[in-house]
Amino acid sequence: AQSVTQLGSHVSVSEGALVLLRCNYSSSVPPYLFWYVQYPNQGLQLLLKYTSAATLVKGINGFEAEFKKSETSFHLTKPSAHMSDAAEYFCAVSEEFQEYGNKLVFGAGTILRVKS
Amino acid sequence: EAGVAQSPRYKIIEKRQSVAFWCNPISGHATLYWYQQILGQGPKLLIQFQNNGVVDDSQLPKDRFSAERLKGVDSTLKIQPAKLEDSAVYLCASSSLRSPETQYFGPGTRLLVL
Repeated sequence: AQSVTQLGSHVSVSEGALVLLRCNYSSSVPPYLFWYVQYPNQGLQLLLKYTSAATLVKGINGFEAEFKKSETSFHLTKPSAHMSDAAEYFCAVSEEFQEYGNKLVFGAGTILRVKS
Repeated sequence: EAGVAQSPRYKIIEKRQSVAFWCNPISGHATLYWYQQILGQGPKLLIQFQNNGVVDDSQLPKDRFSAERLKGVDSTLKIQPAKLEDSAVYLCASSSLRSPETQYFGPGTRLLVL
């Protein structure tokens, strides 16, 4: 079964600084990898997804992530943090491809704090 | 396009009581998921439906949890009787057959069991 590890339950950056949120998956290559964002008292919003088309994936709000098979990683980055980026971020992998939908396995989440 | 709707948004009950949550997926989405998100953890899949059939309920505590998706649209998740450890956010998500890998989440129902 797939597993996901997010290093750092809390990350704090200054406004304008680089954002780096780390995600590692278990050794077998999953068909899909995702980053979701969750604002307080809201559901999860999809930031970006990896579907094997390209290793560097661009998402919404200026975020991007790079799939590195050799490192079993899918870290999320943003060149310049904005106050509105403060939220909780979840990395997720799909268990296996199924034509009608895939079970997602989530990491424990990383809370991003942006300081002014 | 309307998103995934859930109600109620908040619920407080005593232990051993019963509770039900409702979900209306995005129109046309064949697959519906219920996740449990305990504070400080990522969401965990409880049950997955395709249309009105169960695809995966391996992590559903069947002695107290039940779910149904009559007519393949709306879904209800029930807990009876509730325990303290059921306090969590219950998230509903849906996906389409055209893009089955992408799940869209509702706002969730926050349950507190006292």
